[in-house]
Amino acid sequence: QVQLQESGPGLVKPSQTLSLTCSVSGISISSRDYHWNWIRQHPGKGLEWIGYISYTGRTYYSPSLESRLDISADTSKNQFSLKLTSVTAADTAVYFCARDEGYYFDHWGQGVLVTVSS
Amino acid sequence: SSELTQGPPVSVALGQTARITCQGDSLRSYYANWYQQKPGQAPVLVIYNENNRPSGIPDRFSASSSGNTASLTITGAQAEDEADYYCNSRDNTGSHPDWLFGGGTKLTVL
Repeated sequence: QVQLQESGPGLVKPSQTLSLTCSVSGISISSRDYHWNWIRQHPGKGLEWIGYISYTGRTYYSPSLESRLDISADTSKNQFSLKLTSVTAADTAVYFCARDEGYYFDHWGQGVLVTVSS
Repeated sequence: SSELTQGPPVSVALGQTARITCQGDSLRSYYANWYQQKPGQAPVLVIYNENNRPSGIPDRFSASSSGNTASLTITGAQAEDEADYYCNSRDNTGSHPDWLFGGGTKLTVL
């Protein structure tokens, strides 16, 4: 059974770096044909795709966040991570990790709330 | 990149049929997917690749598509179907393929 679990600080100061990790169980993140995504949801708002890392290690980012974003993977730990630099209050959101198989998101983590505040 | 537009909140009487729509140019090239999200929970895939249901999703959920519009239909809505529903598709208008989500539609079951 595929499971994803986000972890990381729930509070980040403005201008600092938001760092989150998604731990995956039930499947290797190196498995062919899957991509590993970050998606966020601002309080009371809709879903926003952030970016993903493919099974090959290639990354794709949302153009609106690309300049501040880094997604990486640690295959030895079966984890992938998000780093978002220079955060502001506008980055306060619930952050989800999710798997896609090319055409839809079939497994999601439970989400973690990250608040940007001094 | 393009966008997906969902309609206003929908109310449906218990046991009746609810329909939620999603419009966007990307739907002319890619199938729509639909997710159900209840408060404080992660989204759950209810329809993928236009009209396929994952295991465990009741058959009262169905979907269709025509041109740039996709629709999710819940036939015989139940109280547990009250949730936010999001459509989603791929998008290839940028420099590389990425993902789009609609703004969500709140479904209330009366």
